[in-house]
Amino acid sequence: DVKVTQSSRYLVKRTGEKVFLECVQDMDHENMFWYRQDPGLGLRLIYFSYDVKMKEKGDIPEGYSVSREKKERFSLILESASTNQTSMYLCASSFILAGEETQYFGPGTRLLVL
Amino acid sequence: AQKITQTQPGMFVQEKEAVTLDCTYDTSDQSYGLFWYKQPSSGEMIFLIYQGSYDEQNATEGRYSLNFQKARKSANLVISASQLGDSAMYFCAMREGSGGSNYKLTFGKGTLLTVNP
Repeated sequence: DVKVTQSSRYLVKRTGEKVFLECVQDMDHENMFWYRQDPGLGLRLIYFSYDVKMKEKGDIPEGYSVSREKKERFSLILESASTNQTSMYLCASSFILAGEETQYFGPGTRLLVL
Repeated sequence: AQKITQTQPGMFVQEKEAVTLDCTYDTSDQSYGLFWYKQPSSGEMIFLIYQGSYDEQNATEGRYSLNFQKARKSANLVISASQLGDSAMYFCAMREGSGGSNYKLTFGKGTLLTVNP
């Protein structure tokens, strides 16, 4: 079974704090992704990584950075958390299934910024 | 314009009945993939089923099937014999471009399915 884990299910932080969200996959996947999910807006891609130390911006990268030092771990960093970053954050990794790249998701982190 | 449209914000179905969740998509690519995910209240996104644009047969996976109508650009999810545990949010998603070269998924806004006993 594909296993994608996220460091926290729930997180409460204060405005201005630096926040680290960690994602780990144990299936040797090349690609990893960070999304945020907000009511009425669906899932939006923040950043993705297709290899160690490689990253690309998604649709809404502003206010976020990422780090991928090891293949299994992809971190999302909020340099200075703001209240509009309160959201559900979902990590995914992907591999080829039936000739198609299929993304598998972690359980999500619900972040509240006060 | 939205690339993925799910027109049903909410759907209700009786246990053991079948239900169809609608999804239409917009792309000019010839090669693309369509996905359905389930998100229970716990929050995890669970992959259900995939359909490639060149697949001639509709995808099936257990009680899930994908009604793929390419000319209409629709990829509806059919759940047969609904169970209480099927109550969840369902998302349709699309990946454009050929596999391996374009990783981004675009998601619809979801349909909340409630299965009544």
